[in-house]
Amino acid sequence: EVQMVESGGRLVQPGGSLRLSCTASGFTFRRYSMSWVRQAPGKGLEWISYISGDSSAVFYGGSVEGRFTISRDNANSSLYLQMNSLRAEDTAVYYCARVSDQIVFDFWGQGTMVTVSS
Amino acid sequence: EIVLTQSPVTLSLSPGERATLSCRASQSVATYLAWYQQKPGQAPRLLIFNAFNRATGIPARFSGSGSGTDFTLTISSLEPEDFAVYYCQHRSNWPLTFGGGTKVEIK
Repeated sequence: EVQMVESGGRLVQPGGSLRLSCTASGFTFRRYSMSWVRQAPGKGLEWISYISGDSSAVFYGGSVEGRFTISRDNANSSLYLQMNSLRAEDTAVYYCARVSDQIVFDFWGQGTMVTVSS
Repeated sequence: EIVLTQSPVTLSLSPGERATLSCRASQSVATYLAWYQQKPGQAPRLLIFNAFNRATGIPARFSGSGSGTDFTLTISSLEPEDFAVYYCQHRSNWPLTFGGGTKVEIK
C-alpha cells in the first residue's frame, strides 16, 4: 500500500525556519518525482515545489522561490522541505504528494500543519 | 503562470442528479488537465488525468472532457459520497497551478 507520512509542522514565529519531512512506503521511492502542495485554512490547493526522482530537476512556485528548498534522500525514502523566512501567509496544511509520470498527484499524505504567528 | 478558473463556486444538487463542473484556463493547456476530489479533513484524491482518463479505482460516473482552454468534469448521477470540493490542475508548464475549486453540496 502506497503511504506518505508528513511530520515537522508546528507553530513558528514570522521570520523563522522549519523543516518538514515526508516518509514514503509501499513503492520504489527513487523512481518517482515528488511534490509539496499546501492548503491555507479554508482555502484552495497551492502547488509549491517539485523534485525529480534523481533530484536533477527542481521547481518552485513563485510564492516560495528563494525561501523554500526541496530535497530528498532516496536511501531512506524521505522527502524534505526546508522553509526559511516564514511569513503569516505560509500558514497552511502541507501535503507531500507522489507525482505520476503524467505530472499529476496520484497519492497524497494526510498533511502536517504549519502555523506562522507571533 | 496559467490561471485556472472554476465555475460555479458552489453547486447545490440532490443525490441522483447530474453535476457539471467547469474549469477554464487562461491559455491553452492542450489536454494536460487533471481533476481532484477533496472531502473535509481529508487529502485530495486524483479522479481524472489528461482531461478524460479516470484514475485507478474511480467509478465510471465520473467523466472528464475538453481540450485547450475549456474543460468539464461530469458526475452522471450523484451518490451521497460525491458531495465534496473539486479542483482542476494543469501540467502544461511550470508552475503547476490549481483552480479555486467547486463545492458540490446537498440541496
